Amino acid sequence: EPEVTQTPSHQVTQMGQEVILRCVPISNHLYFYWYRQILGQKVEFLVSFYNNEISEKSEIFDDQFSVERPDGSNFTLKIRSTKLEDSAMYFCASSDLGLYGYTFGSGTRLTVV
Amino acid sequence: KQEVTQIPAALSVPEGENLVLNCSFTDSAIYNLQWFRQDPGKGLTSLLLIQSSQREQTSGRLNASLDKSSGRSTLYIAASQPGDSATYLCAVTSGTYKYIFGTGTRLKVLA
Repeated sequence: EPEVTQTPSHQVTQMGQEVILRCVPISNHLYFYWYRQILGQKVEFLVSFYNNEISEKSEIFDDQFSVERPDGSNFTLKIRSTKLEDSAMYFCASSDLGLYGYTFGSGTRLTVV
Repeated sequence: KQEVTQIPAALSVPEGENLVLNCSFTDSAIYNLQWFRQDPGKGLTSLLLIQSSQREQTSGRLNASLDKSSGRSTLYIAASQPGDSATYLCAVTSGTYKYIFGTGTRLKVLA
């Protein structure tokens, strides 16, 4: 069964540092997403990406965040200057036509200290 | 604005029981609804996907139903097992392709 792969599984960073979370979506999928889940809270939408551009972003996705598909396989989320409140599990997901359900990665646990 | 609610928030049952988890959403104009399982500290595993035109989906001991007009979905788990212990999340898409998630039902099945 095809998988969405996320690396690293856990990252610890100092406040103010830049982090890049990496994802390899399923190869024939066209829509890519980032979500986050703060411990004990709901899974929240961050951003969707289609045709090499952002199709939608939430209020959480401010100027500190950016996404990129640097090549044909990777999809990255960059946080420029991390804050303590960015500590969360970050999930990447991909979808074939946007209407047929998602496949999620296993997540990256980001801890900002 | 779409809101998704799941009841109960937590559930503890003896092994072998049949159980029902509930999900409700405020905007009935959805494209699909997906049920996920999440083990502690882990990712999201897709269980069942129901398109807006469908009424139910089944996979093994799991059955999910969808009533769009009333804004409800139920996940039925037959003959529960300790391995079913996890948090169950429902999520809906509407308007755009993003998912709105519920808060989840934390299930514990006692041996």
